[in-house]
Formats: sequence, C-alpha cells, structure tokens
Amino acid sequence: GAGVSQSPSNKVTEKGKDVELRCDPISGHTALYWYRQSLGQGLEFLIYFQGNSAPDKSGLPSDRFSAERTGGSVSTLTIQRTQQEDSAVYLCASSLMQGLASGELFFGEGSRLTVL
Amino acid sequence: AQSVTQLGSHVSVSEGALVLLRCNYSSSVPPYLFWYVQYPNQGLQLLLKYTSAATLVKGINGFEAEFKKSETSFHLTKPSAHMSDAAEYFCAVSDQGNTPLVFGKGTRLSVIA
Repeated sequence: GAGVSQSPSNKVTEKGKDVELRCDPISGHTALYWYRQSLGQGLEFLIYFQGNSAPDKSGLPSDRFSAERTGGSVSTLTIQRTQQEDSAVYLCASSLMQGLASGELFFGEGSRLTVL
Repeated sequence: AQSVTQLGSHVSVSEGALVLLRCNYSSSVPPYLFWYVQYPNQGLQLLLKYTSAATLVKGINGFEAEFKKSETSFHLTKPSAHMSDAAEYFCAVSDQGNTPLVFGKGTRLSVIA
C-alpha cells in the first residue's frame, strides 16, 4: 500500500483481556516505531525496530506490553491483561533506515483502544 | 536524555493573524528538531525539520521555524493563519537523528473566522 496501515482502527475490550494491534509499514522501510497517544499527554514512545537489530524496548510501560516484527515487515503490538489506563490511540510509524537524518516518519492513522 | 516542552496546550488566533507555536527542547548533543501536524481524524505528517543546516527552516503550507541554540527553542510560525490550519501541532527532538523521536504534548491550534 501507499502508506502505513494499522488494524483494527477501533478496538473495545474488557479489562483483563489480551489485545493485538497490527501495523503494516511502507514497503522498503526498515525502521518501525510504536507510539501511544493519550489525551493531553502527547505521543509516548513505546518500541523501535531497525532492520535486524535488537529492538529498542525502552519505552514499554510494563511487561504486559510486547511487540514483534516478522520478516522485517509487519509488526504486532500485544497488550496482555489490559487495564483501563491502557486506553489510548496506538500509532505506528515507519521510515527509511536513515529516516531521522532525512527527517520523516510516516505515521498510520492509529488504532484506538478502549478498555472497559 | 532529550525532552521537549510545548508552551500552551491550546492556541486560538483569528484568520489572517500571525501563528506562533512555542517549542523548547533539551538535548545533550546537537539535536534534530521536527514539527508534525495532525489534522482531525488523520495521521501525523511532517511539517518541517531542522538537521543542523540552515537555522531558519521552511516547511509546507507556509510554516517556518527558527532554531535558536542560545534559547534552546524551535518555535513554529506562519504570517497569516488560514481556517485550514486548525489542527494539533507536535514538536519533536532526536539526538543527532540516532534516537527515536521524543514528542511534546502538542498544541491545538484553533482559527477563528
């Protein structure tokens, strides 16, 4: 596709359930990022994948959060035993390997998660 | 570690008036600085970037920003606001482009007719 694709666009779940959010980056982009956007809190960095390197997981808020990237393309963010404070919009972005030097992350439209 | 502070969570201007959105950063090394815009129900898109070249950076839609090292600032301006500029604006920083972007909390711009 032409842009970063995320699914589902909306997800409502019950507290304690597990959820999976998917990101399909732009073809050829080696870097992939997950951010969380909460009302009034801006964008919070979660995790970063770059090629075959070990991911930077420094932003994951707890061990209930995990992410993987298969074949250097599609990524899945998993939240186990969801809590109400996990409610947010989860944004995925991708970039070329030298993306930050060239200055552009391409963002998807996000997955809105609501935990009841 | 780098950080960004955006002064004012909400700014309101009249159509045709100057737009000024403030951003101050903290970085231990020369930073790369960015402004992104998020229109309602859309993803974020890049407005402009500073990567240690010219200190006055011009972006899309008539926006520009000036890097001022002495003030650790990267304020976003536009001489004349248009109704279509109403959106959320995010300032972001990366240490020399080698670290994931750290975003500010955003400033919502409203444009009044």
